[in-house]
Amino acid sequence: EVQLQESGPGLVKPSQSLSLTCSVTGYSITSNYWGWIRKFPGNKMEWMGYISYSGSTSYNPSLKSRISITRDTSKNQFFLQLNSVTTEDTATYYCARGITIAVWGQGVMVTVSS
Amino acid sequence: DIQMTQSPSLLSASVGDRVTLNCKASQNINKNLNWYQQKLGEAPKLLIYYTNNLQTGIPSRFSGSGSGTDYTLTISSLQPEDVATYYCYQYNSGYTFGAGTKLELK
Repeated sequence: EVQLQESGPGLVKPSQSLSLTCSVTGYSITSNYWGWIRKFPGNKMEWMGYISYSGSTSYNPSLKSRISITRDTSKNQFFLQLNSVTTEDTATYYCARGITIAVWGQGVMVTVSS
Repeated sequence: DIQMTQSPSLLSASVGDRVTLNCKASQNINKNLNWYQQKLGEAPKLLIYYTNNLQTGIPSRFSGSGSGTDYTLTISSLQPEDVATYYCYQYNSGYTFGAGTKLELK
């Protein structure tokens, strides 16, 4: 059974970078697509981007200048980096499998505050 | 960008009721639509994929339908454990979620 688990700091200062890790068990990230989604306070959900089985990436145009998704296949992990964060990036961040998002991690809450 | 509009935003219903949640796309999404259930403090759970396919392990009281721009999630007989927020999600062109329908018990 595939499982995903997000990890990373729960508090980030404005203008800094947000970095999260998604650890995957039960399935190789060299298959399928692996993405990040966030849910804002107030419940709006936003697809952020994905990294494919081959390592290619696709990003939400609204984030394109700030976001990077990378991976470490030896550890079966993929990563999110979001630069120049503001308080508007405060959200719960989820990692997930597939373009059709069949499996989600539990989520990690990230607050941007000084 | 394709916009997804869910209605109603809040729905109150009684146990045993037939419940219908709606999702309207700003353009044709060719049935490339999923429905998710999210309970408080939990990750979203896939209920329905590609408009009308029930995900493994999901009770048969959940069903989906639709085409073009209009899609529906139906719960045939509401149960207390169905209290949650429900989201639609399109992956036909870009990737967009609806704003959610919060389902509560009357």
